[in-house]
Amino acid sequence: QQQVKQSPQSLIVQKGGISIINCAYENTAFDYFPWYQQFPGKGPALLIAIRPDVSEKKEGRFTISFNKSAKQFSLHIMDSQPGDSATYFCAAKGNAGNMLTFGGGTRLMVKP
Amino acid sequence: DVKVTQSSRYLVKRTGEKVFLECVQDMDHENMFWYRQDPGLGLRLIYFSYDVKMKEKGDIPEGYSVSREKKERFSLILESASTNQTSMYLCASSFMSRGTYEQYFGPGTRLTVT
Repeated sequence: QQQVKQSPQSLIVQKGGISIINCAYENTAFDYFPWYQQFPGKGPALLIAIRPDVSEKKEGRFTISFNKSAKQFSLHIMDSQPGDSATYFCAAKGNAGNMLTFGGGTRLMVKP
Repeated sequence: DVKVTQSSRYLVKRTGEKVFLECVQDMDHENMFWYRQDPGLGLRLIYFSYDVKMKEKGDIPEGYSVSREKKERFSLILESASTNQTSMYLCASSFMSRGTYEQYFGPGTRLTVT
């Protein structure tokens, strides 16, 4: 039973386009929602994170949108570049403890 | 820079063998984790440790055990490897400060059990 559901599993976007990856969660005790980026041959690395007291967080071309009532959050990559081609994982952390629950991952390919 | 290193990038073992995967972090983090990564399933937590000699089961601990004798080192043990344990194994350590939480991952060990 996956507590964090991520879609789509794979995504192909043209250079300059917008990439959108969606996640939904069930556990209302989650209070921290990071996104991790993983390049081939590397471990995942933190990209951007949000807490549910804000609805949006932007860092450069990357934006997290958060909808607390719908229990959904999404990653938007503006002006997508071939260098953004990677696997992206959403995750969620409860307000107690130090564990992350990860979504299934999205493999993004940005075509030149 | 935080560094999490894993002893092997690629490993091929036979069914029934005992397998040791080693992980070392250099940032004095208290919490360390072992995940396995499979396509479409994301990262699933096998075990984590919040202190030396302390461990807790994650979501999929069956067939695995762990050891943490020193703060910087966390080992994953496959007591009797099986083909369904063929996977990518990722180690991580975590840090929390002023509301910021981050897990730092090693490069992974791709284990094939034949």
